[in-house]
Amino acid sequence: NAGVTQTPKFQVLKTGQSMTLQCAQDMNHEYMSWYRQDPGMGLRLIHYSVGAGITDQGEVPNGYNVSRSTTEDFPLRLLSAAPSQTSVYFCASSFTRDYHEQFFGPGTRLTVL
Amino acid sequence: QQQVKQSPQSLIVQKGGISIINCAYENTAFDYFPWYQQFPGKGPALLIAIRPDVSEKKEGRFTISFNKSAKQFSLHIMDSQPGDSATYFCAAKTSGTYKYIFGTGTRLKVLA
Repeated sequence: NAGVTQTPKFQVLKTGQSMTLQCAQDMNHEYMSWYRQDPGMGLRLIHYSVGAGITDQGEVPNGYNVSRSTTEDFPLRLLSAAPSQTSVYFCASSFTRDYHEQFFGPGTRLTVL
Repeated sequence: QQQVKQSPQSLIVQKGGISIINCAYENTAFDYFPWYQQFPGKGPALLIAIRPDVSEKKEGRFTISFNKSAKQFSLHIMDSQPGDSATYFCAAKTSGTYKYIFGTGTRLKVLA
């Protein structure tokens, strides 16, 4: 199993551009999340999904969009990139909602100029 | 609003010593408290976790102590090794949801 994979590893955008961060898992996990990690702030939940077709907002959802058409994939869309979205983005998945390990991907480092 | 407060921000420990990282929370609706370890350039990985109906959980050199009345929990790393040098995050999950709140992290350095 590849676990949780994320592409790209690095990305530089100009303000106003849009892009999609890809996340895929091959563990048949129902639950998936997107986090951003900023220095001194830990990880903050952006959006999460409890199954195909079901998504909800986390702590910092503004400026991001998600959809979940399959169990495997959970892409994160930046609609109009802003410098404040410069961060490292992590995708995670777990088998169930409660008391189960979240598996994290390797991250995408995004810089918005 | 930071709902999980983690301290210290950084920690330096001699090899063989005990590393202690503390977290405090406010929301009584949290029902799962994991600790994650993160190495530079990598994603976080689950280290150990505890439910609020247990006061202590031990896995090898790692122990979580949980104080429900004080709304605090801590990670103890016994016999700390240079390979333990990493950033550690506590987290808490809101009951009935898949929402996790993370602490701000503790950068641990274990001197050889």
